[in-house]
Amino acid sequence: NAGVTQTPKFQVLKTGQSMTLQCAQDMNHNSMYWYRQDPGMGLRLIYYSASEGTTDKGEVPNGYNVSRLNKREFSLRLESAAPSQTSVYFCASSEARGAYNSPLHFGNGTRLTVT
Amino acid sequence: AQSVTQLGSHVSVSEGALVLLRCNYSSSVPPYLFWYVQYPNQGLQLLLKYTSAATLVKGINGFEAEFKKSETSFHLTKPSAHMSDAAEYFCAVSFLSGGSYIPTFGRGTSLIVHP
Repeated sequence: NAGVTQTPKFQVLKTGQSMTLQCAQDMNHNSMYWYRQDPGMGLRLIYYSASEGTTDKGEVPNGYNVSRLNKREFSLRLESAAPSQTSVYFCASSEARGAYNSPLHFGNGTRLTVT
Repeated sequence: AQSVTQLGSHVSVSEGALVLLRCNYSSSVPPYLFWYVQYPNQGLQLLLKYTSAATLVKGINGFEAEFKKSETSFHLTKPSAHMSDAAEYFCAVSFLSGGSYIPTFGRGTSLIVHP
């Protein structure tokens, strides 16, 4: 029962480098999400995918891109990392189209530091 | 814009005392409401969700929350705190956006339990 799997767990980047955060779920969920968590700010939505083949911007999309590769996988790409992107990134999935009364299932997070 | 407000970034209680974590939201229509818990270095786990079947919702680990539409509140309570309850707690509300319900999180409340 893997649930939502995120890789890597930790990453250190230099300013300007790029990387892709990977996320996969094995629960056959329609919707997937990327959040970032910063101290005192709670979780802020970066991008979401309500269903396979669609993606939409959330509250803080600047500096990020996403790909919904198939129903299972939803990746987050930083094209040119900046220190302001130092954060903990969480991927989540939910059962219904959209998040209609469906709780989120979270991965364990990726801790990213940009120097 | 829709918002979720958690009053108090930190709440400190003694073991055995009542726990009360506050959550208010702004919405013109009844939203979908959730509480999540996050233990150190982990992802978020669902504590409970409001389904509109009853205003008092029971969750895991002895927690419950009451939906009060007139006050736009969904406060989390537990009659008797245990040391193992020390964690970060997040209130989340799903607002309708572009045909999908998008979960929006409060900033979190850190619960500290003293022996």
